Amino acid sequence: DADVTQTPRNRITKTGKRIMLECSQTKGHDRMYWYRQDPGLGLRLIYYSFDVKDINKGEISDGYSVSRQAQAKFSLSLESAIPNQTALYFCATSEAGTGVAGELFFGEGSRLTVL
Amino acid sequence: AQSVTQLDSQVPVFEEAPVELRCNYSSSVSVYLFWYVQYPNQGLQLLLKYLSGSTLVKGINGFEAEFNKSQTSFHLRKPSVHISDTAEYFCAVIANTNAGKSTFGDGTTLTVKP
Repeated sequence: DADVTQTPRNRITKTGKRIMLECSQTKGHDRMYWYRQDPGLGLRLIYYSFDVKDINKGEISDGYSVSRQAQAKFSLSLESAIPNQTALYFCATSEAGTGVAGELFFGEGSRLTVL
Repeated sequence: AQSVTQLDSQVPVFEEAPVELRCNYSSSVSVYLFWYVQYPNQGLQLLLKYLSGSTLVKGINGFEAEFNKSQTSFHLRKPSVHISDTAEYFCAVIANTNAGKSTFGDGTTLTVKP
């Protein structure tokens, strides 16, 4: 089983609909992230959480919200989806602590299409 | 804040040829450096990382990278590529302060042709 699991893997929805992407991890990491990947733009950080009570905006948080339900669960919501939110979304985790490099462990991605 | 520039968006090469994927970064603090690889329809996985010490680091699948502090570069190399190396490669940096977030380059698509 994958250490970082994302659901759904693929979703097609219509403009204005509410969408939730879920992420769960078995790595025991405190830190979790949501990234968005668009062709030619690399990965851009949407939100991140360094522990259950810590939620922070990334560089492109507008139009998104998150919830950290437990150490192992971090969900991303689009309250009212729009076509330019069509993208591949990745959840990632990392360790915390002095001397830890911050290497990211990724899920397999959730492809979202907004019509 | 940090930034990463991957100098080539696409690199086509023939099988068994050498390849270099270029990455430059800027940062006001010391950083850790990473290369990640994304195979088609998969998530990203770590290829190699530089934390400290020897500037030449070796990773999986025969890849290596050299950290050059004066040039602020971290170029990825492989002496002989295989068809299976076809993928997208991302360079990333993170401040070594334990409070940082990774910053990614835009990616380089490596296409290995027979």
